[in-house]
Order: sequence, then structure tokens, then C-alpha cells
Amino acid sequence: EVQLVESGGGLVKPGGSLRLSCAASGFTFSSYSMNWVRQAPGKGLEWVSSISSSSSYIYYADSVKGRFTISRDNAKNSLYLQMNSLRAEDTAVYYCAAMAFRGFDPWGQGTLVTVSS
Amino acid sequence: DIQLTQSPSFLSASVGDRVTITCRASQGISSYLAWYQQKPGKAPKLLIYAASTLQSGVPSRFSGSGSGTEFTLTISSLQPEDFATYYCQQLNSYPRVTFGPGTKVDIK
Repeated sequence: EVQLVESGGGLVKPGGSLRLSCAASGFTFSSYSMNWVRQAPGKGLEWVSSISSSSSYIYYADSVKGRFTISRDNAKNSLYLQMNSLRAEDTAVYYCAAMAFRGFDPWGQGTLVTVSS
Repeated sequence: DIQLTQSPSFLSASVGDRVTITCRASQGISSYLAWYQQKPGKAPKLLIYAASTLQSGVPSRFSGSGSGTEFTLTISSLQPEDFATYYCQQLNSYPRVTFGPGTKVDIK
């Protein structure tokens, strides 16, 4: 079964750090560009970051650039998002998603990050 | 950045109705558009890519059309499991993709 499973979310104080993980199974993870997308409570979808299959190309949304770092370990079929200097506006469900032919598929189930004092 | 708008934002419909959702891009994106369905508490699910290609396993009552700046998602006969929020996504500027604001389809 093709699957992505996120972990690492939780409650963190403003200015704190958190590392999200995304474990892939059921497909050739190393062949796919991967993405993080977030959704604030009751809001729409926002692209956060992307990494190419070999980690050669990395991109960030302006809202997280300089604070978040995306990485992957193809040997472990895993994707990561290191989040530093967290702000209240980073509160969201964070999804990992693979870049399929011309769309994001599959998606993980999401992990909730809450930034609050 | 390429902006997407969706209309309507909310629609109330009955089982069996034909439903159409429109997505407009702020500049031409060829056919680099995807549609997703999201149910409460769940991840988005890819329905259509390349504006009109049905993702494997998606029922044929879903269809997509358009190119350039205007696109539509049509559900030919709304089923109970189709009540959800639908998002369009442009991939013309991948990886800097953007999503539309969503259209919530509710039960009349």
C-alpha cells in the first residue's frame, strides 16, 4: 500500500523548534520530489517547501524561508522539516505529499503543530 | 505569484444534482491544474490532474475542463460521499504551487 505517515507535531512555544518527519512506503520514494503543505485551522492549503528526488533542488515559501529546513534520507525513505523560530501563524496541520505526474499524490494524514505560549 | 480564485465559495446542493465549480488563474497556466477533494479531518485527495485527466480510482462522475486561465470541475450526479471541500491547484510554477481558496459543497 502506498503510504506517507507524518510524525513530530505538537505544542511548542513561540520562538521554539520542532522537527517533522514523513515516512514513505509502498512506492519508490527516491524517485519522487517531495513537498510539505500546511493548513491553518479552518483555512485553505498553503505550499511550504519542496525538495527534489536527489536533494539537489530545494525551495521554500517566503513565509518560512530562513526559518524552516527541508531534507530527506532516501536510504530511510524519509522526509523531514526542521522548523525553527516558530510563530503563532505557523500553527497548522502539516502534510507531506509526493509530486506525482502533475499533482500531489499521495498525501500523508497530517500532523498538527500548535505554536502557543 | 500566480493567484487562483474559485467560485462559488460555498454551494448547497442535493444528491443527484449536477455541480460545477470554476477556478480562474491570474495568468495563463496552460493545463497545469489539478483538483483535490478534502473531507473534514482528512488529507486532500487528488481527483484530476492536467486539467482534465481523471486520477486512477476516481469515479467517472467527476470531470475537469479548461486551459489557460479558466477551468471547471463538474460532478455530473452528486453522491452523498461527494459532500466536501474542493481545491484547485496550479502547477505551472512548480515547485511554487498555489491553491485556490476552496469551494465547500454542502447538503441542501
